[in-house]
Amino acid sequence: DAMVIQNPRYQVTQFGKPVTLSCSQTLNHNVMYWYQQKSSQAPKLLFHYYDKDFNNEADTPDNFQSRRPNTSFCFLDIRSPGLGDAAMYLCATSGVGRRVDEQFFGPGTRLTVL
Amino acid sequence: QKEVEQNSGPLSVPEGAIASLNCTYSDRGSQSFFWYRQYSGKSPELIMSIYSNGDKEDGRFTAQLNKASQYVSLLIRDSQPSDSATYLCAIGGGADGLTFGKGTHLIIQP
Repeated sequence: DAMVIQNPRYQVTQFGKPVTLSCSQTLNHNVMYWYQQKSSQAPKLLFHYYDKDFNNEADTPDNFQSRRPNTSFCFLDIRSPGLGDAAMYLCATSGVGRRVDEQFFGPGTRLTVL
Repeated sequence: QKEVEQNSGPLSVPEGAIASLNCTYSDRGSQSFFWYRQYSGKSPELIMSIYSNGDKEDGRFTAQLNKASQYVSLLIRDSQPSDSATYLCAIGGGADGLTFGKGTHLIIQP
């Protein structure tokens, strides 16, 4: 089945220790997104790739970086996690045309910062 | 700055009744509208998309859009306990990503 996969599902890191979250998709979608969702809050867009074009939201902290080495994979790097970065990180994808903003989410990675 | 407003709830509905969820948005130029269902600790799941004024039905779900009033709603008929979840309203921005509301927590009482 075509899907969006995120690894790991749960990640525990120490304050300041870099962490990388991964996302892969078999939908062959052009666009990949990373959202941050804290408890009882709306998902917040961090950045997205339209093919290889990277688009950073204005208020995304510099501590967050992303890489998309090919169509199928996208990575979220948190260079120095703080306690406030503990959240669910959601990867989503969308195709082209009229449905370009119909997004499909992976299962998420729950990040805990100790 | 696009804004999406939802009543956070909880909205409690008896099993078998109709659940009505509402959403308003600020950007009059918005063209695409979505409802996602999110169970606790899980990721959002797309359940309805709507692009034109009027109603769109899919099984027990009906999405309603009124662009003049900047209002989107979701009706769930014959509500089941498994419908208990948070429902997120989202407004599309082309390939630039979605703007989400904070969601309405729906509880279906057996």
